[in-house]
Amino acid sequence: DAGVIQSPRHEVTEMGQEVTLRCKPISGHDYLFWYRQTMMRGLELLIYFNNNVPIDDSGMPEDRFSAKMPNASFSTLKIQPSEPRDSAVYFCASSFGRNNQPQHFGDGTRLSIL
Amino acid sequence: GENVEQHPSTLSVQEGDSAVIKCTYSDSASNYFPWYKQELGKGPQLIIDIRSNVGEKKDQRIAVTLNKTAKHFSLHITETQPEDSAVYFCAASTDSWGKLQFGAGTQVVVTP
Repeated sequence: DAGVIQSPRHEVTEMGQEVTLRCKPISGHDYLFWYRQTMMRGLELLIYFNNNVPIDDSGMPEDRFSAKMPNASFSTLKIQPSEPRDSAVYFCASSFGRNNQPQHFGDGTRLSIL
Repeated sequence: GENVEQHPSTLSVQEGDSAVIKCTYSDSASNYFPWYKQELGKGPQLIIDIRSNVGEKKDQRIAVTLNKTAKHFSLHITETQPEDSAVYFCAASTDSWGKLQFGAGTQVVVTP
């Protein structure tokens, strides 16, 4: 079975540009999570969705960050405008059901903002 | 909110020896404690988890113990192999939605 698929795997762009990260969760999963990983802050939860509805976006660092889930098989994380401090690895994860079911992670997007 | 501390930050073991990683959590309401393994260039992968109604869980060479009174839990890897080399993360959750607070990670190196 296909796991969580993220694209692109690597993104290098200049400060001020818009960046869009994409995620396809595992089919049938009803929870989707976006995380950011940096050396300084470790793994941080940014936002998560249940049945395509955002449940908790308290981890989104600034208004420059936005996330959408237009349908059960696709989500985007957008940064506009991007800044060098946004450089990190961004992970998407999905899970099925309540009561803390295992989260399955994609292989991430390594984002570098110059 | 929940705070998870993980120790040690790095761990070097000889192949065949055991490795132990310890985590403490701050919120007594935490009820779910997964462990993830992350290899270079990959996303974290769940290797074992434990819930607050269980004190110990084992899966082949991997075991996790939970002490709710002391608010700490540990990962034990026995008979380590070179392929066990990776970064290991503990996490804790206080709600059923799956919101996890991760520890800072432990770099495990298994030397032949």
